[in-house]
Amino acid sequence: AQSVTQLDSQVPVFEEAPVELRCNYSSSVSVYLFWYVQYPNQGLQLLLKYLSGSTLVKGINGFEAEFNKSQTSFHLRKPSVHISDTAEYFCAVSDLASGTYKYIFGTGTRLKVLA
Amino acid sequence: ETGVTQTPRHLVMGMTNKKSLKCEQHLGHNAMYWYKQSAKKPLELMFVYNFKEQTENNSVPSRFSPECPNSSHLFLHLHTLQPEDSALYLCASSQSTATSLNEQFFGPGTRLTVL
Repeated sequence: AQSVTQLDSQVPVFEEAPVELRCNYSSSVSVYLFWYVQYPNQGLQLLLKYLSGSTLVKGINGFEAEFNKSQTSFHLRKPSVHISDTAEYFCAVSDLASGTYKYIFGTGTRLKVLA
Repeated sequence: ETGVTQTPRHLVMGMTNKKSLKCEQHLGHNAMYWYKQSAKKPLELMFVYNFKEQTENNSVPSRFSPECPNSSHLFLHLHTLQPEDSALYLCASSQSTATSLNEQFFGPGTRLTVL
């Protein structure tokens, strides 16, 4: 069964510094990959998604992610973070075998941007 | 109202109470989902409805009873809950479970506390 690992539960970073949030998934069959952000007291908002095509995906708020099939990874990056990026970030995977509507989520990474 | 709305946003209930959570989507979607979000755990898919029919029940205890009267509304009826059921309950919707591109849109959640 598909699984998603977000190794970092918390990532502190100073404002305007770059950040990378890591995501690895277990199966290399045809997958769709997503990053969601959750601000305090809010639901999940889609940042970006990989369905096919270019392995570098650009999303909202200056975030991007790179799909690496050989390493089964989909790491999220931002070159310069802002205080407002403080939130929890979730990686999710779905695959054609299980049903693309079945999202498997990671445990989340709490990004804290420091002034 | 736009997107996915959930009411109430916060709910405190005793173990013998009966209450209901409501979700409404204004996106013209046909699939709706209930998720449970507990601290330090991945989001857990509870139920899936497609065109008002339940297509997924992930071994959820019978004290949780979903209802989907139409494609725009989804309820989660709660009775005789346990303290470990305290969590954030998220509703989501998507075009349908049958399409390959199945981006899910989330509501803000209901924070449930069981005393």
